[in-house]
Amino acid sequence: EIQMTQSPSTLSASVGDRVTITCRASQSISSWLAWYQQKPGKVPKVLIYKASNLESGVPSRFSGSGSGTEFTLTISSLQPDDFAIYYCQQYITYSWTFGQGTKVEI
Amino acid sequence: EVQVVESGGGLIQPGGSLRVSCAASGFSVSSSYMSWVRQAPGKGLEWVSVIYSGGSTFYADSVKGRFIISRDSSKNTLSLQMNSLREEDAAVYHCVKAGGSGRPVDSWGQGTLVTVSS
Repeated sequence: EIQMTQSPSTLSASVGDRVTITCRASQSISSWLAWYQQKPGKVPKVLIYKASNLESGVPSRFSGSGSGTEFTLTISSLQPDDFAIYYCQQYITYSWTFGQGTKVEI
Repeated sequence: EVQVVESGGGLIQPGGSLRVSCAASGFSVSSSYMSWVRQAPGKGLEWVSVIYSGGSTFYADSVKGRFIISRDSSKNTLSLQMNSLREEDAAVYHCVKAGGSGRPVDSWGQGTLVTVSS
């Protein structure tokens, strides 16, 4: 099973801050990585797919980069609506695995 | 519009069985790659099982031998039969339609809550 490790687990930030979340895979997953945003009581929402592709309708302040085993989600200027939990996911295999999540809080 | 709606969750005692279902609209379950993903209260996301369009099925080690994924093309539904339930199986179970063109997901259902407790 491919393990996905996110850091940090919690991130305290302010509106307007540039925020970076890192995801590391236990083996190469090429670019088969997605980033999700989840708010309380809601279904996870895809932000980025194939490591760097912005999902339709997602604000351009979100961006993703990386390949192989190291990946990054960046929010260029944090907005009030962005306080949430973020997960990375590998989908190179049928047995998807997710990172443990990063909570972005004030 | 592609949509999936889960049902069948509830309270079940440890060792019991429960079947959760997913009604699909806007696409054919039989032609799609469908997964179940669960999320325990306050916890992260865990992939549970997948069924390919060709019928192949795969399971997470944590549920292998206890859960069975299946589909009914006549009703356009996906199901997960859960046997020998454990307290650690308690979670919201989401039905997920895999995406195309490199995207992981096309549709993610709201989920159905399974509580395992005596």
